[in-house]
Amino acid sequence: TQLLEQSPQFLSIQEGENLTVYCNSSSVFSSLQWYRQEPGEGPVLLVTVVTGGEVKKLKRLTFQFGDARKDSSLHITAAQPGDTGLYLCAGDSGGSNYKLTFGKGTLLTVNP
Amino acid sequence: KAGVTQTPRYLIKTRGQQVTLSCSPISGHRSVSWYQQTPGQGLQFLFEYFSETQRNKGNFPGRFSGRQFSNSRSEMNVSTLELGDSALYLCASSWGDRGPTDTQYFGPGTRLTVL
Repeated sequence: TQLLEQSPQFLSIQEGENLTVYCNSSSVFSSLQWYRQEPGEGPVLLVTVVTGGEVKKLKRLTFQFGDARKDSSLHITAAQPGDTGLYLCAGDSGGSNYKLTFGKGTLLTVNP
Repeated sequence: KAGVTQTPRYLIKTRGQQVTLSCSPISGHRSVSWYQQTPGQGLQFLFEYFSETQRNKGNFPGRFSGRQFSNSRSEMNVSTLELGDSALYLCASSWGDRGPTDTQYFGPGTRLTVL
């Protein structure tokens, strides 16, 4: 069974601070996705990383896929209250047994 | 383009009853996946349908079933409801080609409460 461990589970910071969220597994994934979910809504895809060592930037968000494609990180620079939400990573096992395996998420609160 | 829609948004049932949830995918998408989200277990994969066929299944008991219609709309059924079935049920649609860019778009979910 493939598992994704996310840390920290909860994070409360002040506006303007930087933060990093981690997503780790002992399994290799063909791709890894990051989602953000707000209360009462479904997850919304932020980014997909495919290549080991890949780094993608989305404004103040930087995503990195580990060289071995087993882990990933999300770094937010100068966090804003609008960044508040549940951040989920999901790994794609690929192949004929395709399905997304989700981590339990990091609940981020950015206080003004 | 309209997003994924799920009905109903909220549902209250009692133990032993059964329930049917509905999901309408984005136009053109042929794959629909269902997930259960709880605070303790997070998002867990239930099953995926593609072109009216179940293509993959998670580790849930047989009380959880689904189907997909020719227009790609999908329904999920839970029979003999248990208290532990209380959760947010999410469906997600995609083109279904399983490539790395085959993005899953989620609906807002159906909040099921079992009393």
